This record gives sequence, C-alpha cells and structure tokens, in this order.
Amino acid sequence: EAGVTQFPSHSVIEKGQTVTLRCDPISGHDNLYWYRRVMGKEIKFLLHFVKESKQDESGMPNNRFLAERTGGTYSTLKVQPAELEDSGVYFCASSHEVDREQFFGPGTRLTVL
Amino acid sequence: GENVEQHPSTLSVQEGDSAVIKCTYSDSASNYFPWYKQELGKRPQLIIDIRSNVGEKKDQRIAVTLNKTAKHFSLHITETQPEDSAVYFCAASIMGGYNKLIFGAGTRLAVHP
Repeated sequence: EAGVTQFPSHSVIEKGQTVTLRCDPISGHDNLYWYRRVMGKEIKFLLHFVKESKQDESGMPNNRFLAERTGGTYSTLKVQPAELEDSGVYFCASSHEVDREQFFGPGTRLTVL
Repeated sequence: GENVEQHPSTLSVQEGDSAVIKCTYSDSASNYFPWYKQELGKRPQLIIDIRSNVGEKKDQRIAVTLNKTAKHFSLHITETQPEDSAVYFCAASIMGGYNKLIFGAGTRLAVHP
C-alpha cells in the first residue's frame, strides 16, 4: 500500500510569490489533515478535510492560505502571497476514519526568502 | 487554547540505558494520546498510543503511561539502541470529535553506542 505522498519535497521562493503544495492521501482515506512545523517548534494543526468538505479549519493562520480538496482525493495548499514567517515543514496526514491512526507524509520544506 | 508541553527538548543516553520523555496536556477532554517518531529525513510514524480508559500500555521496549488526574503522560524506552535515535513527538486529541492532533514541541533523542 502506498503511503501519503507530498509534492514538492522542497520549495524555495521569494517573499510575495505564490506556492502550491500537494498531498495525495492513502487511497480510500476520507480524512485528510494539514499540519505545519515552524523552526523546530511543535507540529501545528492547520485544517481537516472529510472527503471534499472542510471539517475544521481553525488552525489556518490567515487568509493567505487556501486549501482545497476537489473530488475528495488529493489536496492542495496554496500560500499567496508568501511571507517570511510561512517558512517551515508542511505535513499532510490521512486516516481511514476520524478515530483511526493518522498516517503522515514526508512533508514539504518551504523556505521563503 | 489547547496545548501540550513536552520535556526534555533534547536527551542523550548511552546504549542500553532507559529514556523517558514527559508531556502535559491542557484540555481535560483529551482522550487519545499518540506518540510519533521521526527519524532524520523521514516522515513521522506512530510508535504507540494510549486511550484515556487505560493507565499504561507496553509494546516490547516501549511503554506509555497516562495520569488523567495530573493531565500528563510519558514515553518510556528501555534498553535503548542507536536506531532509537530520532525526534519523538507526543500529541493529544479528542476521539469522537474532529481528532485534530495537538503536538508537543518534540524531543531529540540521541543514543550513543
């Protein structure tokens, strides 16, 4: 079974540019989560999809972040315009049911210069 | 808001020694406590979890204990080996809710041969 995949693995952009991160969950997993780890701190929750619906987006930092999951399969997280403080590692996780183990992807390391 | 405190931030032990990592959570409604291990360059992986209806769980060299009254839980690794070297994250969530994970800041464990 293929695990959660994320693309790209690394992204370096300049302040003010736009970046789109992609997450492909494990096939059949309806629940998809985005998390972020900034500068060696805790991994912070961003949002949770159930299929194509946003179940909880309480962790989204501001309106420069837009997450989508059209069709309930893969998800994208767009940052526009990027700021320096957006640098960090963005993780995606998926689970079959909401009360089951969350499987993490390898993360996308975003650097905003 | 909800938060999880994790200590220590770094831990260095000799091979064969035991290692203990401690976490404290703030939300008394939390009832699920997973531990993730992230080896260098790899994705976070679940190594053990515990639900609030039990006080201790063991899996070979790894054990987790939970004190609901004090709102803290701990990871115990016995007979440490060099391959235990990694960053360990504790987390708390509410099963039956949205199940977003609230993570601690991580503990970097180094096991020296």
